[in-house]
Amino acid sequence: DAGVIQSPRHEVTEMGQEVTLRCKPISGHDYLFWYRQTMMRGLELLIYFNNNVPIDDSGMPEDRFSAKMPNASFSTLKIQPSEPRDSAVYFCASSPGVASQYFGPGTRLLVL
Amino acid sequence: DQQVKQNSPSLSVQEGRISILNCDYTNSMFDYFLWYKKYPAEGPTFLISISSIKDKNEDGRFTVFLNKSAKHLSLHIVPSQPGDSAVYFCAASPSGNTGKLIFGQGTTLQVKP
Repeated sequence: DAGVIQSPRHEVTEMGQEVTLRCKPISGHDYLFWYRQTMMRGLELLIYFNNNVPIDDSGMPEDRFSAKMPNASFSTLKIQPSEPRDSAVYFCASSPGVASQYFGPGTRLLVL
Repeated sequence: DQQVKQNSPSLSVQEGRISILNCDYTNSMFDYFLWYKKYPAEGPTFLISISSIKDKNEDGRFTVFLNKSAKHLSLHIVPSQPGDSAVYFCAASPSGNTGKLIFGQGTTLQVKP
């Protein structure tokens, strides 16, 4: 298995632009998670899905952030419009339903 | 409000010695705890876990201790190796929830040869 796949690995954009991050979970995993890593707050859970349905989006910073999971093999995290404070590493993770989660390599986002 | 805290941002130890990484939590409803290890430019990978019904779990050089009364857990690495140099995240799972994990800020461990 290729593991969790994320794209792009790096993204540099200008303030105000739309950013879309993509994730392909491990096949058969029912849970998908989006995290943001910063120095100050570590790994923050933004949102997670169970069987493609959003369960908890309380970690989404504000309305500029949105996430979708149209099918079991694909999810997107969108930031529109992006701001410099959104610069961070964004991780996607999937889980078969127990506590252990499998992380992708992350997308390093820089908003200028 | 940080429910899982790792108060030491970094730790440096000599190869062959013991590394002790600490984690504190505030929510008594957490019933499962995990440690993840992260190398640069990679995602975190699962290392070891412990259920709240236990106070110790050992896997090779790695041992996790849980003190529920103090709401504290620790990861011991003995003996430490240079390849253990990484960021270590503590995570906790709320009871009744099979998916969600709450992570700490991470501790960067450097093992010197």
